[in-house]
Amino acid sequence: GAVVSQHPSRVICKSGTSVKIECRSLDFQATTMFWYRQFPKQSLMLMATSNEGSKATYEQGVEKDKFLINHASLTLSTLTVTSAHPEDSSFYICSARREPNQPQHFGDGTRLSIL
Amino acid sequence: AQSVAQPEDQVNVAEGNPLTVKCTYSVSGNPYLFWYVQYPNRGLQFLLKYITGDNLVKGSYGFEAEFNKSQTSFHLKKPSALVSDSALYFCAVRDIDHNAGNNRKLIWGLGTSLAVNP
Repeated sequence: GAVVSQHPSRVICKSGTSVKIECRSLDFQATTMFWYRQFPKQSLMLMATSNEGSKATYEQGVEKDKFLINHASLTLSTLTVTSAHPEDSSFYICSARREPNQPQHFGDGTRLSIL
Repeated sequence: AQSVAQPEDQVNVAEGNPLTVKCTYSVSGNPYLFWYVQYPNRGLQFLLKYITGDNLVKGSYGFEAEFNKSQTSFHLKKPSALVSDSALYFCAVRDIDHNAGNNRKLIWGLGTSLAVNP
């Protein structure tokens, strides 16, 4: 149990394009979902935390207008990178959690490459 | 401030030997501790957690971790390493901000790259 599906796994697109990444909890209801960014050989950087039906909480330094997060249901959250530029190229990973004391379960990540 | 330290960037061990990946934490109150593993170009997989109870926690793939309150450590161990254990390992402690509610997040270590040599 506790499977999280993240789609797409890889995106290559031109600068200025907006890219949407989906994160779905397949076999449980996720009260909270998290979006991370990971640079090569580096740790996870939490971008934002989202709860179903409410606005996401962004970490300091993360532009909310750049990285739009929608958590429309207990099984789906989306991250949209608006007007992406080469510096937005990274590995984006989502995770989902049932309750605060439970582990986070991760998707397999999305490799975003902006040309 | 809460923090997690993984003092080793890389650990090398021969296949069949025991392995240890170190983690120390700094948090006020009782810590909730987690270990995750990340294989190349993949998300993280949950290995084990400590919330309360026995100090020795057993997890997936034969891994275990020992919670040591006096040393504020939560080292990951495995009696006999496999080449397939080669991956990036992350230790994390749950944020204890009681006002955070559902938004309680994990404080992550920087990760330790484990290489098991055949």
